[in-house]
Order: sequence, then structure tokens, then C-alpha cells
Amino acid sequence: AQRVTQPEKLLSVFKGAPVELKCNYSYSGSPELFWYVQYSRQRLQLLLRHISRESIKGFTADLNKGETSFHLKKPFAQEEDSAMYYCALWASGGSYIPTFGRGTSLIVHP
Amino acid sequence: GAGVSQSPSNKVTEKGKDVELRCDPISGHTALYWYRQSLGQGLEFLIYFQGNSAPDKSGLPSDRFSAERTGGSVSTLTIQRTQQEDSAVYLCASSPNNSPLHFGNGTRLTVT
Repeated sequence: AQRVTQPEKLLSVFKGAPVELKCNYSYSGSPELFWYVQYSRQRLQLLLRHISRESIKGFTADLNKGETSFHLKKPFAQEEDSAMYYCALWASGGSYIPTFGRGTSLIVHP
Repeated sequence: GAGVSQSPSNKVTEKGKDVELRCDPISGHTALYWYRQSLGQGLEFLIYFQGNSAPDKSGLPSDRFSAERTGGSVSTLTIQRTQQEDSAVYLCASSPNNSPLHFGNGTRLTVT
């Protein structure tokens, strides 16, 4: 079975501080990992996916298969980054049903 | 273009009543998903439709929940004899094959 764990329900930082939202997964095959974001009063939307290896809004995430992690990082947080962040796993070659973590609420204080 | 559309945006119902939630996916998207979003529980998978294949209902929490997708497009999630624990935001998402999901704004269901 596949599982996604986001250990922090809430992460609170000050503007300009580095931020890391943790995501660990369990899956025996080759996964695809995603980060989705939900800003206040907006729909859930894709932030980035590991196969793209791109930086979106200053955020990056590297898939570490040895540690089964896909942590989301940004060196300098901005107030507009305040949102709910969900890590998701897609079992490549298996079920096309993404498994989501419970989410981490990021609050960036001015 | 138009995104995934869900209606109603809010629904308040009395315990024991039936409710229907509607989802209009993005045109041409063959996959359609329903998830339930509860505070502290994250996104809970409910049901998945792919083209004309039989749906994957493995996430439905009880037989009070059912969903259908007519003509490979619009989907309706029905909850019979609603209970207070059914209160949540119900999210619909669609995608082309094997691609990231596009979510609707959700329906906030409150059972009083």
C-alpha cells in the first residue's frame, strides 16, 4: 500500500526565513511525487512535480529515494506563501489514484 | 478555458436527508475523482472514474455514498441519510490520462 506522511500540521515562520515542509512516503515501486497548494479561498492547484525538476514561486523539491522523502523548500519565505500544502504520491504503473498527505498549513508572519 | 465546476458551493442539510453534489469536469478529461477534505484529515479518496471503465469505489466510506458519471462527463455524488460526520468539503478533480489533477472549488457540506 502507498502512504504519504506530512508530519507537521502547522509550520509558522517569519518573512525572509527559510522554510522546509516535510513529506515522507512509502511505496515499493517507482513513485511520482507532487506538491499541491491551496491558498485562502482558492482551489487546490498543482505547485510542482518531481519529474519536472523545476522551481515554482521559488519552491523546489527533490525526490530522495534513499530516505523516501520529497521535502518542499524555499530559501526565503514570503507572506504570500501562506497556504495549505499537500504532498501527493502517484503510483507510476499502478493505480492512477493519487494518495495525499494530511497537509501542512504554512503561515508566514511579516 | 473553463476549469472544473462544482455545485452547489455550499450545502446545509438536516441529518437524515439525502444530498446530491455535482461536478462538471474539464472537457476532454477522461479521469474524474472525488475526494473529501476534512480539517486535520487531509484529502480522503472516495471514487475514481476513467473513461467507460467500471469506477473504483474503494474509497467510499459506507453504502450511503454513491456516485455516477453520465456520458463520460458530468458526475454526481449522492449521500443518503446524511450524518453529522459527513460534514466536509467534497472536492472533484479531473485529468487527462496519467496527468496531474485539476480540482474544482469544492462543495462545503454541513449536516445539522
